This record gives sequence, C-alpha cells and structure tokens, in this order.
Amino acid sequence: QVQLQESGPGLVKPSETLSLTCTVSGVSVTSSYWSWIRQPPGKGLEWIGYVYYSGSTNYNPSLKSRVTMSVDTSKNQFFLNLRSVTAADTAVYYCARDPSFKYFDSWGQGTLVTVSS
Amino acid sequence: DIVMTQSPDSLAVSLGERATINCKSSQSLLYSSNDKNYLAWYQQKPGQPPKLLIYWASTRESGVPERFSGSGSGTDFTLTISSLQAEDVAVYYCQQYYYDPYTFGQGSKLDIK
Repeated sequence: QVQLQESGPGLVKPSETLSLTCTVSGVSVTSSYWSWIRQPPGKGLEWIGYVYYSGSTNYNPSLKSRVTMSVDTSKNQFFLNLRSVTAADTAVYYCARDPSFKYFDSWGQGTLVTVSS
Repeated sequence: DIVMTQSPDSLAVSLGERATINCKSSQSLLYSSNDKNYLAWYQQKPGQPPKLLIYWASTRESGVPERFSGSGSGTDFTLTISSLQAEDVAVYYCQQYYYDPYTFGQGSKLDIK
C-alpha cells in the first residue's frame, strides 16, 4: 500500500523559499513519477510539476522559473523548492504518485503553507 | 494551457437518485494511436486529498464503487453516480493528462437534496 506524507514549514516569509519533503512508504521512489500539486484555500487544483528518480523533471511553465524538484532514493523521499514566494503561493501542497500516465493514483494528506511576514 | 470547464458548479441530488457532472476540454483528449481519452476524475471530501475515481475517461480505479462511471470522448465527458449515497457528498474534479501542463476543472460540488 502506497503512502505519502508531506512535511515542511507551515509558514514562509514573502521572498523566501518554500521547501517541502514527501516521504514515500510501501513502494520504492524509483518505481514511479512523483508530482507536486497545490490547492489555494477554497480553490481548485494546480499541478506544479513532476520528478523521476533519474532526476528528470517537468514543471508547469507558470512556475518553472521558481521551482526545483529532486529525489533522494536512499531515503525514499522527493522534494519541492519554490523560490521567491508571495501570498499567492499560500496553499495546501500535496505530493502524489503518477503511475507513468500523468494522472494521480495516490496522494499525501497535504500540508498547508502560508506565506506571510 | 488546456482549459477544463465543469458543469454545473454545484448540484444537489436526492439520495438514491442519479447525479451527473460534465467536463468539457478546450481541445480533444483522444489520442488516435491508442484510442484512449486522457481524462481522469477525482473526488475530494472536506479536509481530505483528492481520490482517483476514474482514468482513461471510463476505467474505474480499484476499490471504487460500481455506482461511479465515466463516459465521453474527445472534448466532452461525464461522471455519473447512478444512485447517490450520503458518503458521495464531495467536490468532484476532472483532469486532463494529454497536454502539458496537466490541468484540472474548477470542481463541481455535490450535495444531498
């Protein structure tokens, strides 16, 4: 059974970097593509990007200039860094598994990140 | 980006009745080489992450009740709940995964009448 758990600061100051970790259990992080998806409070879902264990990445062009994703296979984790955040980046951030076709069959519980001074 | 438009934005259906949610894509999601539509449906209950219900427009995810079905092709798709149960109260999202970036509909909120 695949389980994903997001972790990281719940509060980030404007202009700083949002950094999140997704810890995967039940499967190897080498087995799939892994995505980050966010949801502003009361709003819809936005795909941020994906990372593969090889280091291959693909980011949403709307965020591409500020996003970096990576994987640590030894810890079965993958990561999101979002630079130069503003209040518009306040959202629940989800990590999710993509079984190679770009829909998402397993999700973490999500973590709320608030951007505020 | 591909725009996914769901209708209605909200609906209320009586228990045991049929609920229907529509999703329209700004471009066709049908890949002719494999005859597959790159469209998924998710259910999101309050305080929970989305849950995958349907992929390839009509393939039910393992463990999803048979009352949930997906149909449609090209640009027009439908999620149908054949007999609404109380636990189906949620927001439903469609998602296209044909074009990068992958995009979601705005959501349709389903309540009990």
